[in-house]
Amino acid sequence: EIVLTQSPGTLSLSPGERATLSCTASQSVSSNFLAWYQQKPGQAPRLLIYGASTRVTGIPDRFSGSGSGTDFTLTISRLEPEDFAVYSCQQYGSSPTFGQGTKVEVK
Amino acid sequence: QVQLQESGPGLVKPSETLSLTCTVSGGSIINYYWSWIRQPPGKGLEWIGYIYYSDSSSGSTNGNPHLKRRVTISGDTSKNQFSLNMSSVTAADTAVYYCARDGVSGGFDIWGQGTMLTVSS
Repeated sequence: EIVLTQSPGTLSLSPGERATLSCTASQSVSSNFLAWYQQKPGQAPRLLIYGASTRVTGIPDRFSGSGSGTDFTLTISRLEPEDFAVYSCQQYGSSPTFGQGTKVEVK
Repeated sequence: QVQLQESGPGLVKPSETLSLTCTVSGGSIINYYWSWIRQPPGKGLEWIGYIYYSDSSSGSTNGNPHLKRRVTISGDTSKNQFSLNMSSVTAADTAVYYCARDGVSGGFDIWGQGTMLTVSS
């Protein structure tokens, strides 16, 4: 089983700032089969990025994904008020697993 | 557009079997992978398993190795539904249970709203 570790656990930032979220895999994720989700309280997760760096249609371009192998990053270039949420990574190269999430909160 | 809706009892007693159903509207369940995913209160997401229909007759399944011996996923193409049964539940199975579609390009691209399942006597 591939274990995904996200850091930091919580990120306290102000609107307009840049957010950098990390996801580290316990072993290489094949073919960069890594996705990122946004989840707000009481809602289901929303797929933002797949294939490590491809944005889902309709997702603003302030969201970007990068990385390969075992180290992946989600960057939000300028935080908007609606971006404060929990972000989770997920690998689907083998039996799917999720990271524990990073909460982006208002500073 | 495709929408998913979970349904279930809300409360199950310890040692009993949990049964949930996901109804898919706006599209066929054939030729897609359909998964169950859960999230305990305040915790991260956990994939439970999937079912895949290549035609209207038979579905193939696979599941999380940690849960596989307790989990059965089945479906009914005529009703455009798939279901989750999990046996011998304990308080650790208390969670929001989601059904979701495996996107063709990757990730889970469509999710139900989730249903809260509490295990308690």
